[in-house]
Amino acid sequence: SQQGEEDPQALSIQEGENATMNCSYKTSINNLQWYRQNSGRGLVHLILIRSNEREKHSGRLRVTLDTSKKSSSLLITASRAADTASYFCASGSSMDSSYKLIFGSGTRLLVRP
Amino acid sequence: KAGVTQTPRYLIKTRGQQVTLSCSPISGHRSVSWYQQTPGQGLQFLFEYFSETQRNKGNFPGRFSGRQFSNSRSEMNVSTLELGDSALYLCASSLRGGNSYEQYFGPGTRLTVT
Repeated sequence: SQQGEEDPQALSIQEGENATMNCSYKTSINNLQWYRQNSGRGLVHLILIRSNEREKHSGRLRVTLDTSKKSSSLLITASRAADTASYFCASGSSMDSSYKLIFGSGTRLLVRP
Repeated sequence: KAGVTQTPRYLIKTRGQQVTLSCSPISGHRSVSWYQQTPGQGLQFLFEYFSETQRNKGNFPGRFSGRQFSNSRSEMNVSTLELGDSALYLCASSLRGGNSYEQYFGPGTRLTVT
């Protein structure tokens, strides 16, 4: 399967704690994107990090990218109950003329009030 | 700007029937991609259209097809439905397409095949 892997598959934390999710991908990439999905709804774009970047911040989100290990991590600081959702990484391949995003398997995050 | 809209939101069909799903992208976006999401296989890419041309196709049988109109609206069709086609079908639009730009997703169409 081309699909990337994410771990953990599920994460349960207390409100106020930090949540870290990891993503591994298989091919050379142009960029790595993170999306959030609330229960059975559409995905919402969170952040995009390009292959020549190592770290990126957006509000309470911090994303790192290690192209040598083909991995990325998403850190959500000071989590809130509203952060409860599934989080997906998506890799944009730089190989051939592929235009598709390849999504990881996702991490289900539960933030307990 | 209005977001990506998908119709219908829910659909129940019988095995062997066909179904057409519709997606209206954000105004000005020329790229529309379709994804299938199931608990077992996760999010899988179906195809992408840009300026009425299919640019890329995922690993799905020929029963899955799509098209894009001159106003960038897109439809996908699934013929001879199978139970395994039950899924959430998501449409996403992007300004220029490709994988270097963020995609804006619609709420999805939940298809149930009985």
